Amino acid sequence: AQSVTQLDSQVPVFEEAPVELRCNYSSSVSVYLFWYVQYPNQGLQLLLKYLSGSTLVKGINGFEAEFNKSQTSFHLRKPSVHISDTAEYFCAVSSYNFNKFYFGSGTKLNVKP
Amino acid sequence: EAGVTQFPSHSVIEKGQTVTLRCDPISGHDNLYWYRRVMGKEIKFLLHFVKESKQDESGMPNNRFLAERTGGTYSTLKVQPAELEDSGVYFCASSQDTGRTQYFGPGTRLTVL
Repeated sequence: AQSVTQLDSQVPVFEEAPVELRCNYSSSVSVYLFWYVQYPNQGLQLLLKYLSGSTLVKGINGFEAEFNKSQTSFHLRKPSVHISDTAEYFCAVSSYNFNKFYFGSGTKLNVKP
Repeated sequence: EAGVTQFPSHSVIEKGQTVTLRCDPISGHDNLYWYRRVMGKEIKFLLHFVKESKQDESGMPNNRFLAERTGGTYSTLKVQPAELEDSGVYFCASSQDTGRTQYFGPGTRLTVL
């Protein structure tokens, strides 16, 4: 079985500061990893995904994530956040056939001026 | 291109009543998924359709939940009779046959009183 842990339920940060949202997964097989973002009153939007190849993945809005197989992690980073990044972020792991996603419990990023 | 749409956006019903949620996937997407998020916890998989066939319904909580996808287009998720613990946000997602990204709708917030 696969599972995803997002250790931080809430992350407050000041505007223009760097941020890292942590994601760890457990799986006995190869996985595909995703980060989704949910802005207030909107649906889930794909930020980035890791399927294969380079372990550093760049996504939209200046976000990036690094796949670390030995530590089973896929942390999300942004060097300088904006007020508009305030949202809830979800890490997800996909089964090999992409037919089922396992999500973490979400991390609420609150960017303060 | 229109995204995944869900109706209604909110539903408030009393325990014992019936509610039907609707999802319209992105046109041409054969794969349709239902997920649920309860009380700020993780988003959990409910089931997966390929066209009109149920591919995987391992996440359906019990037999009070019935999902259909007649004609392989839109899908409905009926809860009958609703219980208090059914409250949450129900998300629908769709993907192309060979695609690896699931595109999510805005969700339906169900409140059972």
